[in-house]
Amino acid sequence: GNSVTQMEGPVTLSEEAFLTINCTYTATGYPSLFWYVQYPGEGLQLLLKATKADDKGSNKGFEATYRKETTSFHLEKGSVQVSDSAVYFCALTPNTNAGKSTFGDGTTLTVKP
Amino acid sequence: GAGVSQSPSNKVTEKGKDVELRCDPISGHTALYWYRQRLGQGLEFLIYFQGNSAPDKSGLPSDRFSAERTGESVSTLTIQRTQQEDSAVYLCASSSDRATNTIYFGEGSWLTVV
Repeated sequence: GNSVTQMEGPVTLSEEAFLTINCTYTATGYPSLFWYVQYPGEGLQLLLKATKADDKGSNKGFEATYRKETTSFHLEKGSVQVSDSAVYFCALTPNTNAGKSTFGDGTTLTVKP
Repeated sequence: GAGVSQSPSNKVTEKGKDVELRCDPISGHTALYWYRQRLGQGLEFLIYFQGNSAPDKSGLPSDRFSAERTGESVSTLTIQRTQQEDSAVYLCASSSDRATNTIYFGEGSWLTVV
């Protein structure tokens, strides 16, 4: 079956540090890939997505590139802020319609001033 | 509605009682998911609906848990004979059929079993 593996947390960084959260997946074909974010006390919301190989999703200074050759979708940000403290979830949806989405376990990021 | 709506938002129940949690997905969304999230932990998949049928219910933790969906719309998650370990946030999410489409989450139902 499909699976998503995320870098284990928690991750603690100082403000303005560079962030990478690794995500690799197992799936047949070309799934769509997503990063969701859950801020403290809130629900999950889409951060960015990429729907085909070599696509780059970006939002709020975050980026992730769909790498078919390494089956990866690592999340990066050049300079994190305290407000980026949250839990980040990597996810995939199969390329067949009506396919079930699969989420990673989540990575908690804490950014200190 | 504009988003995924869940009710109740908070529920405190006594151990051994039954509870029902409701989810109203975004209109027209055929896929519906239930997840459980314990405090400070990740998402635990419970069940997936496509229309009114559940092709994947592998995440339901025991036979005390059941879910149904009617009219390709509202879904109810029922927990019978609640236990303290059932205390968690229960999240509902929905999406349309297409693989590229975003999953939208509700705010969750916070369940506390005392």
